[in-house]
This record gives sequence, C-alpha cells and structure tokens, in this order.
Amino acid sequence: AQSVTQPDIHITVSEGASLELRCNYSYGATPYLFWYVQSPGQGLQLLLKYFSGDTLVQGIKGFEAEFKRSQSSFNLRKPSVHWSDAAEYFCAVGPGGSNYKLTFGKGTLLTVNP
Amino acid sequence: ETGVTQTPRHLVMGMTNKKSLKCEQHLGHNAMYWYKQSAKKPLELMFVYSLEERVENNSVPSRFSPECPNSSHLFLHLHTLQPEDSALYLCASSQDAGGWAKNIQYFGAGTRLSVL
Repeated sequence: AQSVTQPDIHITVSEGASLELRCNYSYGATPYLFWYVQSPGQGLQLLLKYFSGDTLVQGIKGFEAEFKRSQSSFNLRKPSVHWSDAAEYFCAVGPGGSNYKLTFGKGTLLTVNP
Repeated sequence: ETGVTQTPRHLVMGMTNKKSLKCEQHLGHNAMYWYKQSAKKPLELMFVYSLEERVENNSVPSRFSPECPNSSHLFLHLHTLQPEDSALYLCASSQDAGGWAKNIQYFGAGTRLSVL
C-alpha cells in the first residue's frame, strides 16, 4: 500500500528566506507525485506534479520540487518566501495507471514571519 | 477560483437533522469526488463518481448518501450524523477517473460542517 509522510507538522520562516518542505513516500513502483496548497478557509490548489521525465519540476507561485527515487522523496522548495505563502501544504502520491486514488500526507503548516 | 463550487460554505446541524451538501463543477470534467478533512488527519476519500456512476465507496457509513445526477453536479446527503462527523468536506473533479494525465484533481473550497 502506498503512504506519504510529511515529517514537519509546522514550519516557521522569515519572509525572504528559503523554504524546503519534506515529503517521503512509500510505493513499490514509480509513483505519481503531487503538492497541493490550502490557504485558510479554502480548498486545495495544485502547485505542481511529477509523472515522469525531468526529476526537477516547476510549479506555480515560484515553487519547485525534486523527485529523488533513491531517497523516496519529493521535497518542495522555494528560494524566497512571501507572506502570502503562509498556508498548509500537502504532498500526495498516486499509483498511476487507471487508479485515481490519491494518498495524502497529514500536511505541513507554514507560518511566515515579517 | 478553481471552477469547483461548493455550497453551503458553513453548516451547523443537529444529530437528527437532514441536510445536503452541493458541489458543481464548470470544467467539463467526467469524474467527481467527495473527501473528508478532519483536523490532524490526512484527507480521506469517501466517494468517487465517473460518468455519473459510483466507482468508489470507501467504507463510508450509510448516514452519508451521495448523489450524482449529472457530470456537473454532486450532492452529499446527510442524516443522523454524529459529532465526530464534524469536518471540512471537500469536493473535487477531474477530467477522467483513470489515466493520470487526465486525473489532476481540482478542489472546491469545502463545506465546514459542525454536528451538535
């Protein structure tokens, strides 16, 4: 069975600092990986996805993520955080093919200090 | 604006009430989903509809009853709920329910449900 671990429940960074949110997955084959963001009172918005090919993927809002098969990781990064990035971030994995089932991590809450 | 609209945004109900949550997607998608989001727990997939046919019922209690009259609308009928059912209920849609290129899920803003 697939699973996702987001080791950091809550991260605080200063505005302008760099950011890395960790995501580790467990799945026997090549996974399909996603990062979603949820602002307060809102639904989930897709930031980026990895299906195949280049292991460094670019997303919206200046985010990027790198798939590292050897480490079973798909960490999310941003070089300079803005106050509007404060939100909860969810990593998700899917088994691919015709299976639509996404498994989500518990999320990392990001606080941005001015 | 993701193209997926949920109403109401907030709902308070007693355990003996009957209410319904509504989801509408304006994206021309064929698959729709209900998720439950509880505090400190991962999102839980509840139901999946593909072309108006239910393809997934993830061991959800019968007090939750989904309905998909057409590919643009999805309802979740609620009756005799328990306080532990209080959560954020999210609706999502995707172009299709299979094939990952078509299965990027777009979420609504959710309905915050409180059961007293």
